[in-house]
Amino acid sequence: QSLLTQPPSVSGAPGQRVTISCTGSGSNIGAGYNVHWYQQLPGTAPKLLIYDNTNRPSGVPDRFSGSNSGTSASLAISGLQAEDEADYYCQSYDSFSTTSVFGGGTKLTVL
Amino acid sequence: EVQLVESGGGLVLPGGSLRLSCAASGFTFSSYALHWVRQAPGKGLEYVSGINGGGGRSIYAPSVKGRFTISRDNSQNTLNLQMGSLTTDDVAVYYCARAADFTVFGVDEHFDYWGQGILVTVSS
Repeated sequence: QSLLTQPPSVSGAPGQRVTISCTGSGSNIGAGYNVHWYQQLPGTAPKLLIYDNTNRPSGVPDRFSGSNSGTSASLAISGLQAEDEADYYCQSYDSFSTTSVFGGGTKLTVL
Repeated sequence: EVQLVESGGGLVLPGGSLRLSCAASGFTFSSYALHWVRQAPGKGLEYVSGINGGGGRSIYAPSVKGRFTISRDNSQNTLNLQMGSLTTDDVAVYYCARAADFTVFGVDEHFDYWGQGILVTVSS
């Protein structure tokens, strides 16, 4: 059972906006630790998408954005494209386990 | 160009041992913490272990503590993971990942480069 909870799946049509939630607790997101997001295309390694809650690495389109509030964080993807179809993972630090922790992952389907 | 290339995976018997390695290039190896993250078939990502740039500090997930040992050779730009007492729960693709700049080791890190992963299978 992941300490960070994500919906198993979300979907949207091309051009639409979708959000993926990441719910934690007072020992991780709620304690103020940053949330990071990764995109994993089928058969490939994860790729850093958002770091420190809201920042995009160079080369990541501004269609991807992150936010957080309280014990939760969200990844928003606007202007959905077929190539966005992938698994998305949130990650944070947990002071109880004293390690990084990942959410269970969310599969995005572009209809 | 940053590159991380894992090796050493394969099939091992339950209770057996295996040593993974990750060869790094394209950056000042000793300046960066490195980590192992695994992914069981069809499952999500799971943090495994990390080591700081100098090699003097390491962290482990509870699921592997006491069975796995992380180490690094800064003269050879190589990260290692010695895995022991392996069970079917350890079956996964193992990724090595670099902690990004300006992160505090073991706390609030994120991973900016990942290897392609290596499969570890535990079966009799």
